[in-house]
Amino acid sequence: GDSVTQMEGPVTLSEEAFLTINCTYTATGYPSLFWYVQYPGEGLQLLLKATKADDKGSNKGFEATYRKETTSFHLEKGSVQVSDSAVYFCALMNIGTASKLTFGTGTRLQVTL
Amino acid sequence: DAGVIQSPRHEVTEMGQEVTLRCKPISGHDYLFWYRQTMMRGLELLIYFNNNVPIDDSGMPEDRFSAKMPNASFSTLKIQPSEPRDSAVYFCASRMGGRNTEAFFGQGTRLTVV
Repeated sequence: GDSVTQMEGPVTLSEEAFLTINCTYTATGYPSLFWYVQYPGEGLQLLLKATKADDKGSNKGFEATYRKETTSFHLEKGSVQVSDSAVYFCALMNIGTASKLTFGTGTRLQVTL
Repeated sequence: DAGVIQSPRHEVTEMGQEVTLRCKPISGHDYLFWYRQTMMRGLELLIYFNNNVPIDDSGMPEDRFSAKMPNASFSTLKIQPSEPRDSAVYFCASRMGGRNTEAFFGQGTRLTVV
């Protein structure tokens, strides 16, 4: 079945550091890929998405490129801020087999001054 | 639209009691999902509906859990009887049909069973 694997957290960075959170997936067909963010005490919010190979999703300085050859969708940001501290979830949706989102385990990011 | 609305935000109940969690999806959304989040197991899909019909309930952990969607604007997740291991944050999410549409999440209900 479909699955998503994320790097283990927590990730601790200083403000203005470069961020990479790795995400790889296993799926049949051509899934859509998503990054969601969860701030403390809140629900998940969509951060960005990509719907086909080589698409780049971007939002709030974050970006991720849909790499079908490596089945990856790594999240990057050039300069993180304290306000980016949150849990980040990679997810896929595969219309071919089901209409549900399959999530990774989440990666906690802590940004310090 | 106010987004996905869940109630209550917090629920504390005693073991053995019935608990009902409620969700109002975004108007016009065809799909509704119930997720459970715990530190140990992360985010788990419990059940989802399409046009008010349950499509996949394979994630429902036991017969103590049941979910209904009597109409397009309301769904419930019931636990009867509740147990301490049911303590978690329960999220409801909804989305429109279509390949590229994202899911919108509610704020969640934090359930504590003592």
